[in-house]
Amino acid sequence: GQNIDQPTEMTATEGAIVQINCTYQTSGFNGLFWYQQHAGEAPTFLSYNVLDGLEEKGRFSSFLSRSKGYSYLLLKELQMKDSASYLCAVREGDYKLSFGAGTTVTVRA
Amino acid sequence: IAGITQAPTSQILAAGRRMTLRCTQDMRHNAMYWYRQDLGLGLRLIHYSNTAGTTGKGEVPDGYSVSRANTDDFPLTLASAVPSQTSVYFCASSEGTSADTQYFGPGTRLTVL
Repeated sequence: GQNIDQPTEMTATEGAIVQINCTYQTSGFNGLFWYQQHAGEAPTFLSYNVLDGLEEKGRFSSFLSRSKGYSYLLLKELQMKDSASYLCAVREGDYKLSFGAGTTVTVRA
Repeated sequence: IAGITQAPTSQILAAGRRMTLRCTQDMRHNAMYWYRQDLGLGLRLIHYSNTAGTTGKGEVPDGYSVSRANTDDFPLTLASAVPSQTSVYFCASSEGTSADTQYFGPGTRLTVL
């Protein structure tokens, strides 16, 4: 099974940087995903890490350390539209994902 | 291309009633999933299907059943709804490969009274 922990809430100012941490415990790691979910909407895919290191996609970056069971999602140059929940999900074995409870990020002007 | 559609968008249901939530995808994805999302608990997997004709149990399968008669459709049935099944239900699909990304439908908000 999985134990996935991430902070419940974070607040940051427009234009700033926010880092959302995710720690996990798993017996058969096979990839880590980050999803964005705006209120009342479906989750949408942001990033995927299966090897250690940093993956960059525009303003968003995701980092993975398999030995530490740790990942973070970095949001740069925050915009108001980035206010959403960010879900960390771990795949163990085949295609199934286990999700953390999500981190609600509020961007203030 | 619609991606994944779910129906109904929302439903209020009396306890004890039977209800089927519909999910259809047009991406020819092999794998499909049903999740429920509750405040503070995140997304929890109910049932999944790796390919047409096969299904499996997820983390919270009790009280739910699924079928996968073809690639596109993956209905979720509540045989006798109970108030604890009040939730937002998301259907998702993926290609079923090693670098798999799941794509989610818009969700069904279900209230059981």
